[in-house]
Amino acid sequence: EIVLTQSPDFQSVTPKEKVTITCRASQSIGSSLHWYQQKPDQSPKLLIKYVSQSFSGVPSRFSGSGSGTVFTLTINSLEAEDAATYYCHQTSSLPSTFGGGTKVEIK
Amino acid sequence: EVQLVQSGAEVKKPGESLKISCKGSGYSFTNYWIGWVRQMPGKGLEWLGIVYPGDSDTRYSPSFQGQVTISADKSTNTAYLQWSTLKASDTAMYYCARHSAVTGTCDYWGQGTLVTVSS
Repeated sequence: EIVLTQSPDFQSVTPKEKVTITCRASQSIGSSLHWYQQKPDQSPKLLIKYVSQSFSGVPSRFSGSGSGTVFTLTINSLEAEDAATYYCHQTSSLPSTFGGGTKVEIK
Repeated sequence: EVQLVQSGAEVKKPGESLKISCKGSGYSFTNYWIGWVRQMPGKGLEWLGIVYPGDSDTRYSPSFQGQVTISADKSTNTAYLQWSTLKASDTAMYYCARHSAVTGTCDYWGQGTLVTVSS
C-alpha cells in the first residue's frame, strides 16, 4: 500500500498570503495524484486532478505541481473562504490512499 | 448535473446489520466506478473500495476486505455499502464518490451518511 505523507499538518495564514502544502508518496506514483478540499461539515470537493489539472469551476488561485514522489498544492492569495482541510489522494495503484490532511486556518 | 444522493443517518447497536445507499443521476451510472470513503470523527479520509455498476466488478482495500460488502444495482442507479455485524468502531461518516476510472480521481461526492453504532 502506498503511503502519502502531507506537511504541514496545520497552517495559520493571513488573507492574500501564499499557501504551499506538500504531499510525499512512499513510492513513485507518476501523475496519479489528486487534491481535495473539505470544509467543516461538508463533503470533500475535487480541486486538482492528475497533479496539475484544475477541476471544473475551481478558482485559478489553486494550482498543483510535482512528479514521482513529491507533489505540491499551492493557493495563491488566500481568501477567507479557503479555510478548510486539504487532502492529497493517489490512484496509481489499489488500494487507493489519502494523505492525512492539512488544515488551513485564516488568521 | 451529476448528483450522488446518499441515504440518511443511521443509529444502530453493536452486532446489528446495516445497508446504506448512494443513488447516482445526471450521468451514465453503468460507465463509472463508485467508491466508498470512511471518515471517523475528527479524522482523515480512508478508501474502502469501489464497484463498477456495469458488471458489478468490485475491489476492496485489504484493510476493509471481509469487514464490509460493496455492491451496485444498475437497474436503480444505486450503489450500496453494507455490514453484517456492526461494531462501535464503525461509527463514522461514509461518503460515496464517483471515480473517473478504476484508478481515477473522485470527481463527484455524495453528501455523506453518518453511521453511529452505540449500545
